[in-house]
Formats: sequence, C-alpha cells, structure tokens
Amino acid sequence: GEDVEQSLFLSVREGDSSVINCTYTDSSSTYLYWYKQEPGAGLQLLTYIFSNMDMKQDQRLTVLLNKKDKHLSLRIADTQTGDSAIYFCADDSGNTPLVFGKGTRLSVIA
Amino acid sequence: KAGVTQTPRYLIKTRGQQVTLSCSPISGHRSVSWYQQTPGQGLQFLFEYFSETQRNKGNFPGRFSGRQFSNSRSEMNVSTLELGDSALYLCASTPVGEGYGYTFGSGTRLTVV
Repeated sequence: GEDVEQSLFLSVREGDSSVINCTYTDSSSTYLYWYKQEPGAGLQLLTYIFSNMDMKQDQRLTVLLNKKDKHLSLRIADTQTGDSAIYFCADDSGNTPLVFGKGTRLSVIA
Repeated sequence: KAGVTQTPRYLIKTRGQQVTLSCSPISGHRSVSWYQQTPGQGLQFLFEYFSETQRNKGNFPGRFSGRQFSNSRSEMNVSTLELGDSALYLCASTPVGEGYGYTFGSGTRLTVV
C-alpha cells in the first residue's frame, strides 16, 4: 500500500527555523497535509498544499513540495516553545483514506 | 462554528466488554472517518461513512464496526475488547466535494484493563 515516511525527532533552539521532512509513495496524491498534535489532544490541521503547487506560505509556515521526488517539507520560522508537538504529514488521494506518517516530535529548547 | 465533538473523552473498560464511541461532525459535513492511534502503529484508518453508507474500511477485525445516522453523527463499536484495543480513537469530518480539510476531534482515549 501507499506509505508516508518522516524522521521521528527534531530538536531546535527557540528563534531558529525548523524544517520537518516527509516522503510519500503515492503517485495520485491530490492534497498533502500537515497536522500538529499536542499532548492529550487531537490533530490540528496546520496547512495543506495542492499537488500541482510547489510552495505555499502561511504566516510562519512554508510548505515545499517536490512532486518529482515525492518530498514534502514544512518550515516553521522563528520557532517558539509553543511549537513543541508532534507533526504529522498526511497524503490524500481523494477517494482513499488519508495515509499518515508516524509523526515527527519537535522539541524546542529555550 | 462548532468543531468535531467526540464523546466520551476518556473510557476505561474491562477485557471482553464492548464499547460505543460517538462523533458529531461539523455542521454540514457529511463524511466521517475514524482512526485508531497507538504508540506502536501510529494512525490507522478504521472506516469512513458518507450519507449513512460505509465508503471505505480499514484492515481491522470484525469486532470493530460503525454506523452513521441521517444527521451525519457517527458511532463506532468495539465488541469483545482486548488489551490491544487500548488507544486514542479519532474521528474526522470533511465537507465532501470541497476537496480538502479533514477536521479532527479531540479523540476518545480508551483504556482496556
């Protein structure tokens, strides 16, 4: 089946930029999402990118999509301690369920 | 606009019992999906309902079932609970036809003892 891979951990200093990477195998992806999960909470949709776009910027968040390499990244500028959470990449092909990566745990050091 | 509401938030059950979880989607959203989240397996798809019909089903045993009502509210049921069913169960609603945006609820944390 389709697969989504993410590195498990990332540690950055407060004020630095964070880059979380994701690779996927699905050739028919329609949308790719980034979700944030804080302890004890559900999944919060942070941003998404349509498969025919290369980049999307939303305030401190920048999503880059390399469709040829099936590589997605999420850059968080000026990372704050409140950004500490688990970040999930998810692949949406339309009529099939979302496929999630295992999540990247972001730790922000003050 | 109210979000996705899942009840109850926490549940403790004994092995062999059954449990029913509820999910109320965002008003106007007709599709509801359920996911199981565990530390070992991550997020795994259970099933998806649209207009009271199951559209997709994940690879879970028949002990896991669900349904959707005419007001789009959905329930999932797990019978003969096993210790391995302990997980966070997440429900997501989506406005089918608008193409994007699965909104998740806060989940139900099920512990089987």
